[in-house]
Amino acid sequence: AQSVTQLDSQVPVFEEAPVELRCNYSSSVSVYLFWYVQYPNQGLQLLLKYLSGSTLVKGINGFEAEFNKSQTSFHLRKPSVHISDTAEYFCALFSGGYNKLIFGAGTRLAVHP
Amino acid sequence: EAEVAQSPRYKITEKSQAVAFWCDPISGHATLYWYRQILGQGPELLVQFQDESVVDDSQLPKDRFSAERLKGVDSTLKIQPAELGDSAMYLCASSQGTFYEQYFGPGTRLTVT
Repeated sequence: AQSVTQLDSQVPVFEEAPVELRCNYSSSVSVYLFWYVQYPNQGLQLLLKYLSGSTLVKGINGFEAEFNKSQTSFHLRKPSVHISDTAEYFCALFSGGYNKLIFGAGTRLAVHP
Repeated sequence: EAEVAQSPRYKITEKSQAVAFWCDPISGHATLYWYRQILGQGPELLVQFQDESVVDDSQLPKDRFSAERLKGVDSTLKIQPAELGDSAMYLCASSQGTFYEQYFGPGTRLTVT
């Protein structure tokens, strides 16, 4: 079975501080991994994706993530957050075996001034 | 930039009533998805179309939900009768194909009273 676990439901952080949002996955086959951001009452926007190659993936808005196969993790990081980064962040996996995106429950990032 | 369109953005309905949502994917995208996102959870796939054909509706509650994409372009998701537990965000997404990036619409927030 495939699953995605986002280890923190909420992450409060002060503006200009670094942040890490944690994601672990479970799959018996090779996967593609994604991070999406959702602002209030809006759809999902792709931040970044890992398909193959370099394990360090850079995305939009200064975010990056590192794929770690041995630890089955795909944590999202940003060195300095802004108030505008306040949103819900979803980790998701896709595998050829299931042909569908499986989402985690989400992490609410709250950036405080 | 092309976007996925959805309407209405918000819908309030009484239980036992019928409700319908509409989605217009990005032009040329053969694959269309409907997701349900319950508050505090990640999106869950309800149905996936390839052109006008359903390729996955394993999570669609078929006793009350129906979906169609008659001409392989826009799509309608219907609920009849609506139940209190159907209150959620309904997201539509499209992609060039199963293994391509999915683009999400803004969603329809349904409240059943």
